[in-house]
Parts: sequence; structure tokens; C-alpha cells
Amino acid sequence: SQKIEQNSEALNIQEGKTATLTCNYTNYSPAYLQWYRQDPGRGPVFLLLIRENEKEKRKERLKVTFDTTLKQSLFHITASQPADSATYLCALLNTGNQFYFGTGTSLTVIP
Amino acid sequence: DTAVSQTPKYLVTQMGNDKSIKCEQNLGHDTMYWYKQDSKKFLKIMFSYNNKELIINETVPNRFSPKSPDKAHLNLHINSLELGDSAVYFCASSQDRVNQPQHFGDGTRLSIL
Repeated sequence: SQKIEQNSEALNIQEGKTATLTCNYTNYSPAYLQWYRQDPGRGPVFLLLIRENEKEKRKERLKVTFDTTLKQSLFHITASQPADSATYLCALLNTGNQFYFGTGTSLTVIP
Repeated sequence: DTAVSQTPKYLVTQMGNDKSIKCEQNLGHDTMYWYKQDSKKFLKIMFSYNNKELIINETVPNRFSPKSPDKAHLNLHINSLELGDSAVYFCASSQDRVNQPQHFGDGTRLSIL
């Protein structure tokens, strides 16, 4: 069956450390993978998009990798801050223009 | 200057009623979407419209009917509401089809009594 799984529902890290979130997918062939941030009571906000032929994308303190062999994307936040606390969602565009979100990871950055 | 706005923010109603949720985007985007987020925060696409034409229609009950009067609006009408319809419904838009970043509204929390 098709699945998109993100690491542990909740992740706690110390301020200043690097947070690493994982997104693993099964039985998809994504052309694109996106990462979003969602705060309580708000809609998801787009962060980064990476294509299947790209290995890595960066934006300020954020970095995304995409490994189609491992069927995995990693999302890194360096020098994490309490303001980075939120739920992070990966989403992929599969062949046939089907778009699916992962289960989400709730990140808490502890001061 | 809200980019994607949906109304109402909260909707509490009885089982069996018919209700609508409205969505408008002022970004000039061609594609709009409806998503359902359940109590476990799982976000699932329901419909997508591109220039007023349906391009994605996931398996949802036919009690749910999207209506797009123009490319800036995508409304969601729900007939004969059931308890299982309780969720947060998000509207979103993107410049092109689904390979572009999506801009989301802040959701409509639907509660069925």
C-alpha cells in the first residue's frame, strides 16, 4: 500500500541544535516533494520544494534533501529557535498529478 | 490583504443539514483546492480545480460538491452532514497545477452535533 511516513509524531530539541525531520514514502514515484509548516489554528505554509533530479535545496537555515533510492527526504533546521516550534508536513506529487501529505512531525524547540 | 480567505471560520450544525464553505483567493492563481484535516491532523486532498475545471477528485462522498463560479473562488457544499464530516477544511491555491507551492487559508472548523 502507499504510505508517506514522517518520523515520530513529536520531536523535542534544544535551542541552537539542528533539527532533522524525515519523510519516508512507499510505493510512490514522486516528481516533486514539498515541505510545509503548520502552526496551531492556521493553514500550512509552504517552505521548500525539491524536484526528483535535485539532491539538495537550501533556504536560509533550512535544508532539504531528496534521495529517490532510499525513498526519503530529510528536512534540516540549523541553529533552531523556539519560534521554529510547529508541525512540519512533507507532501509529494506522484505521477498522475496526485498530491499527498505526510503524517506530520510536531517539533518543539526548548529554550 | 489576505491571500486565501475562507468563511466561516467555525461552523457548528446538526446532522442531516446542508452547509457551504466559501473560499476566495486574491493571488491571481489558476488552481484551487479543498483539503480535509482530521482529528489526527492528517491532511487529505479532496478536490482541485484549474481555471474552473475539475482536475482532481479524490474518493469523497458525493454529498460533497465543489463549485467554482470563477477562478478566484472555490466553494464547498456539503449535503446531509454526518458525524464523520467533523474536521477542519482547508482551501488552498497555487499558480499552476499541483507541482507549485500552495497557499492555504486558515481553515474552517466544522463540528457536527
